[in-house]
Amino acid sequence: AQKVTQAQTEISVVEKEDVTLDCVYETRDTTYYLFWYKQPPSGELVFLIRRNSFDEQNEISGRYSWNFQKSTSSFNFTITASQVVDSAVYFCALSEALLTGANSKLTFGKGITLSVRP
Amino acid sequence: NAGVMQNPRHLVRRRGQEARLRCSPMKGHSHVYWYRQLPEEGLKFMVYLQKENIIDESGMPKERFSAEFPKEGPSILRIQQVVRGDSAAYFCASSPLDRGARLQETQYFGPGTRLLVL
Repeated sequence: AQKVTQAQTEISVVEKEDVTLDCVYETRDTTYYLFWYKQPPSGELVFLIRRNSFDEQNEISGRYSWNFQKSTSSFNFTITASQVVDSAVYFCALSEALLTGANSKLTFGKGITLSVRP
Repeated sequence: NAGVMQNPRHLVRRRGQEARLRCSPMKGHSHVYWYRQLPEEGLKFMVYLQKENIIDESGMPKERFSAEFPKEGPSILRIQQVVRGDSAAYFCASSPLDRGARLQETQYFGPGTRLLVL
């Protein structure tokens, strides 16, 4: 069974601070996919990044960076120089690779509410 | 290039009524997923459909809930005889046809339908 744990429930930082959102996952599959989604106060879900289990290269996109560590089953997300617009709920999600090659469901963590104060 | 469309955005029903939630996937996407977000909880998978087929309904409640994705038109999530516990945000996501080889496609989410049962 798959499981995603986001142990932090709420984080509050002051603008321009760096912040790291933790994500730990469990899966018995050797091939799997990890995702981060952002849910701003308006309520929609915005895709941020996807990482395949066979690609451990870390990624940076502007102020966002992701650290994937298979050895610790973690896929952490860092926002550098946070801004008020980063205030949102952030979800980490996991999907397994089916033998059929078909798409499969996402298993989400409970989300981390990030508040960035001016 | 329109994203995933969901309507209505807000729906109010009285106990015992039926709720119909619609989802039009992104252009070129043939897979649709429904998720439910209960208050204070993360997103939970409900059902995964392709055109005219239910691929995975492992997250669907056994009674009162049904989903379809007809050959023409949007996907419909139907809740019969709604109860207060059905109040939640229902999100639809879509993804392209999978490329096989156990390669999961990214799911892109719609804005959600907020269902309130009085």
